[in-house]
Amino acid sequence: KNEVEQSPQNLTAQEGEFITINCSYSVGISALHWLQQHPGGGIVSLFMLSSGKKKHGRLIATINIQEKHSSLHITASHPRDSAVYICAVRFNSGGSNYKLTFGKGTLLTVNP
Amino acid sequence: DAGVIQSPRHEVTEMGQEVTLRCKLISGHNSLFWYRQTMMRGLELLIYFNNNVPIDDSGMPEDRFSAKMPNASFSTLKIQPSEPRDSAVYFCASSLRDRGLGYEQYFGPGTRLTVT
Repeated sequence: KNEVEQSPQNLTAQEGEFITINCSYSVGISALHWLQQHPGGGIVSLFMLSSGKKKHGRLIATINIQEKHSSLHITASHPRDSAVYICAVRFNSGGSNYKLTFGKGTLLTVNP
Repeated sequence: DAGVIQSPRHEVTEMGQEVTLRCKLISGHNSLFWYRQTMMRGLELLIYFNNNVPIDDSGMPEDRFSAKMPNASFSTLKIQPSEPRDSAVYFCASSLRDRGLGYEQYFGPGTRLTVT
């Protein structure tokens, strides 16, 4: 079964802390996405990756294909990073590789 | 570019009424996804279009839901008749399908639908 598991479900941090959010999936994938959603807001695509590591500002995403695991890191966290972070995966499933399977999200709260 | 545009942003309607949600793709994109987000089920794909053609509508809940792409840049999602359990946030996302990784999806701001 194609599944995506995120942890933790909720995360509270103090401003300046280093944050890690994890995502595991069950079978081979063609790509993994990290999305950000502010409360009551829209969804922003942060990263799309299929191997290695990507960095954008204070955000870093890594993926280990062999271990079927990805992490999203936030360095020097700030209250404006407070949001739900969603891992979404495109499984290698023949003709339906357009389809995203979503994790349940991680609610991050960064306190000043 | 204005990004993906959705309207209305909020819709409150009574049970039994027809609801039409609208989405304008990013110029040059050729793929469109409609999603529904609820607290219970998270994000779910309703329907996927590529080059105006519905490719996968397996996520459409029932016959009350229909979606169209009358042209390459615009789509509608219609619910008729609406029911309280349809209350959710509906997102559309636009993408450019290519031979590489493709499918980086750009989401619209969403339409928050409340059916009373």
